[in-house]
Amino acid sequence: IQMTQSPATLSASVGGRITITCRASQTISTWLAWYQQRPGRAPKLLISKTTNLEGGVPSRFSGSGSGTEFTLTISSLQSDDFVTYYCQQYSSYPWTFGQGTKVEIK
Amino acid sequence: EVQLLESGGGLIQPGRSLKLSCRASGFSFSSQAMSWVRQAPGKGLEWVSVISDNSLNTYYADSVKGRFIISRDNSKNTLYLQMRSLRGDDTAMYYCATALEWPNPYFDHWGQGSLVTVSS
Repeated sequence: IQMTQSPATLSASVGGRITITCRASQTISTWLAWYQQRPGRAPKLLISKTTNLEGGVPSRFSGSGSGTEFTLTISSLQSDDFVTYYCQQYSSYPWTFGQGTKVEIK
Repeated sequence: EVQLLESGGGLIQPGRSLKLSCRASGFSFSSQAMSWVRQAPGKGLEWVSVISDNSLNTYYADSVKGRFIISRDNSKNTLYLQMRSLRGDDTAMYYCATALEWPNPYFDHWGQGSLVTVSS
């Protein structure tokens, strides 16, 4: 299953709202996770099963979707949020990631 | 606190072998499926391999199948990745991670990574 994220890069302002889209090449129900990765650091799990926020993740992060189209929304961008985000499907082997979306400060 | 500490990376010539280790602590390692995920320099994430808690089931990405072997020693709380016939496109940071929702996993806790550079 191919996972396609858009956009590859996104420019936004502190306090702004952004949405990252992740599309699957075939239906994955809601078996989708989102990760955040800071430069030089390991990825961090943000969301599982499309909408389930991991413990400690701020409520400004939210996920939605089902089937083949999914979104990650950050409602009020903080300076810490300007990093790279990946989606991952875990519907079927082989488990695949999107190519990443880098969020930059405008 | 969950901790995953990878080791064993380094500079290795093409065609040679290397074995990575991941020492786990802070959780019940023997009850947890584990995985390796890699990231080539400046690139995205690529799942490599996963092993069930009891080692009975293992899966590999096509890109490493037949060359890499995942294993674990639950008595030592350690995950391994034996890499053979290394190629330039195996150059990456290798992360070990806990794998939830077996048999179709996502990855909860991650180590800091071990860098493997394949070059002559």
